[in-house]
Amino acid sequence: QVQLVQSGAEVKKPGSSVKVSCKASGGTFSSYAFSWVRQAPGQGLEWMGGIIPLLATTNYAQKFLGRGTITADESTDTAYMELNSLRSEDTAVYYCARGGRGSGSSWYKGFDYWGQGTLVTVSS
Amino acid sequence: DIQMTQSPSSLSASVGDRVTITCQASQDIRKYLNWYQQKPGKAPKLLIYDTSNLETGVPSRFSGSGSGTDFTFTVSSLQPEDFATYYCQQYDNLPLTFGGGTKVEIK
Repeated sequence: QVQLVQSGAEVKKPGSSVKVSCKASGGTFSSYAFSWVRQAPGQGLEWMGGIIPLLATTNYAQKFLGRGTITADESTDTAYMELNSLRSEDTAVYYCARGGRGSGSSWYKGFDYWGQGTLVTVSS
Repeated sequence: DIQMTQSPSSLSASVGDRVTITCQASQDIRKYLNWYQQKPGKAPKLLIYDTSNLETGVPSRFSGSGSGTDFTFTVSSLQPEDFATYYCQQYDNLPLTFGGGTKVEIK
């Protein structure tokens, strides 16, 4: 049974950084792309970017280029998302998700497994 | 970026009702459209992938159709556990994008 387990809630000051982890178990980590999706309070879902561990390739939404960094450690089957220069608008639940479902040629497919979410609160 | 326009943004329905949600892409995304269900405080759950394929374990009252730019998601007979928010998502092009969501509430 595939599980994605994320690190715990964080409270950060504006201007600081946060790093959230997502440990995968029960599947072949390198065979999939892992994405980070965030959800601000009462809002919809926003794709931030993703990583393809097998190719050591990352992709980002324009909004997060330069401020977000997604990495993966294949030795521990863990993906990470770091966001810098935090502002109040970054307060959100951050999810990792595995893109494992679909017939398209893209590595980024339907998200068949999700982490439990990590609440990041940015407040002075 | 491909914009996904989902409608309605909310609806009220009764148990047993047939519910339909639409999702329109700003450009052709072929069949690469997925649907998710999200309940409060929970991660989204994949219901349908590639427009019309039911994810394992998802009840057959859920269905999807469409192609190109226009897609439809249907619940044939709404059950109490179906009251939630639903999102469409395209994966034909990066960045992946989601629709704004449809909140299905009890009438």
